[in-house]
Amino acid sequence: QGRLVESGGGVVQPGGSLRLSCAASGFSISRYGVHWVRQAPGKGLEWLSLISYDGSTKYHADSVKGRITMSRDNPKNILSLQMNSLRMEDTAVYFCARLGAVVIDLWGQGTVVTVSS
Amino acid sequence: QSVLTQSSSASASLGSSVKVTCTLGSGHTTNIIAWHQQQPGKAPRYLMRLEESGKYNRGSGVPDRFSGSSSGADRHLTISNVQFEDEGDYYCETWDSNILVFGGGTKVTVL
Repeated sequence: QGRLVESGGGVVQPGGSLRLSCAASGFSISRYGVHWVRQAPGKGLEWLSLISYDGSTKYHADSVKGRITMSRDNPKNILSLQMNSLRMEDTAVYFCARLGAVVIDLWGQGTVVTVSS
Repeated sequence: QSVLTQSSSASASLGSSVKVTCTLGSGHTTNIIAWHQQQPGKAPRYLMRLEESGKYNRGSGVPDRFSGSSSGADRHLTISNVQFEDEGDYYCETWDSNILVFGGGTKVTVL
């Protein structure tokens, strides 16, 4: 079935940057696209971005366009999300999620990002 | 009109059944969706993929108490023999026009 584990969260000041990682195990990430999704405290799920299986295609939500960069290292089974110009409203739990047959079929456990001065 | 619409809450007595509905907006009624469960304080968990035809595929380890069905623009998740551990938020999800969309979530309470 596989597993996804996010890391890299923490406390960052407004205007700062953060790099999140998503490590896959139990399957080869090279066959799958991966979404990044976040959830602000007490709120629903918000989609951020999708990177295709080979990294050649990327889609972003308008709320983060221009502020995030996705990358992937398939041989290492790892993906990354670089976030810049962070705002207080970016405070959330950030999840990576595997794209299966059109839909998400596997979630990571999430990493917490807090933007605060 | 929203791509996905969910009612905000539902409740069921222990051992009974509950149906959660996700409605696709006009122009999106043939979309495949997924259902995800989020128990309090936990990450979401994939439950199933559900097609317009009503065909559904449960994720690995998902109990067969969880089933799916479709009727027009509506995609239903039915939980039979509801257990206390089924309490949580349930989200539908679909990919549309190069954007991933989530419904607002339905909070299921077990009485």
